[in-house]
Amino acid sequence: EAGVTQFPSHSVIEKGQTVTLRCDPISGHDNLYWYRRVMGKEIKFLLHFVKESKQDESGMPNNRFLAERTGGTYSTLKVQPAELEDSGVYFCASSQERPASLSTDEQFFGPGTRLTVL
Amino acid sequence: AQSVSQHNHHVILSEAASLELGCNYSYGGTVNLFWYVQYPGQHLQLLLKYFSGDPLVKGIKGFEAEFIKSKFSFNLRKPSVQWSDTAEYFCAVNARWNTDKLIFGTGTRLQVFP
Repeated sequence: EAGVTQFPSHSVIEKGQTVTLRCDPISGHDNLYWYRRVMGKEIKFLLHFVKESKQDESGMPNNRFLAERTGGTYSTLKVQPAELEDSGVYFCASSQERPASLSTDEQFFGPGTRLTVL
Repeated sequence: AQSVSQHNHHVILSEAASLELGCNYSYGGTVNLFWYVQYPGQHLQLLLKYFSGDPLVKGIKGFEAEFIKSKFSFNLRKPSVQWSDTAEYFCAVNARWNTDKLIFGTGTRLQVFP
């Protein structure tokens, strides 16, 4: 079974440009999450999709960030325009539909996309 | 607001030494607790988790963690580390039945020398 994949693995852009990150979750996983780690700091939650719907977007930093999950499969995270402070590693994770008996389920992480804004 | 504190940012050990990484969380309600590990060049993977039941949880590769509710702690332990345990370790929590989002600590970088 293929794991969570992310593209690209690295992206270097200039301030003001646009970048789109892609995440392909594990097949059949309804839940998809985006997280970000700024250098030296903790991994921070950005948002959570259940299928194509945004369940929780409380972690999105500002309106320069736009996440979509058309058709409930892969997801994209667009940063427009990018700023210096957007540099970091963007992780995607996915999990199955939570069984009724469990309060949550294991999230499987992708390798991350390292974004550098110059 | 929930938060997770990992006290050790960088730990250096020799092989066969014992390991304990501290993790404390701040949240008034019931939580699920996790330890994730990121080996060099690899993605984050789950080491172990606690949802309920026995507070001593055993994970992969000989790791274990103990949930002490009164101390809001979930420390990670391994009696004898190996060079292959060199990695970054992350403690995470989520508020049970409230949200699926994980709140992570800042991570602990472990280096094990042969």
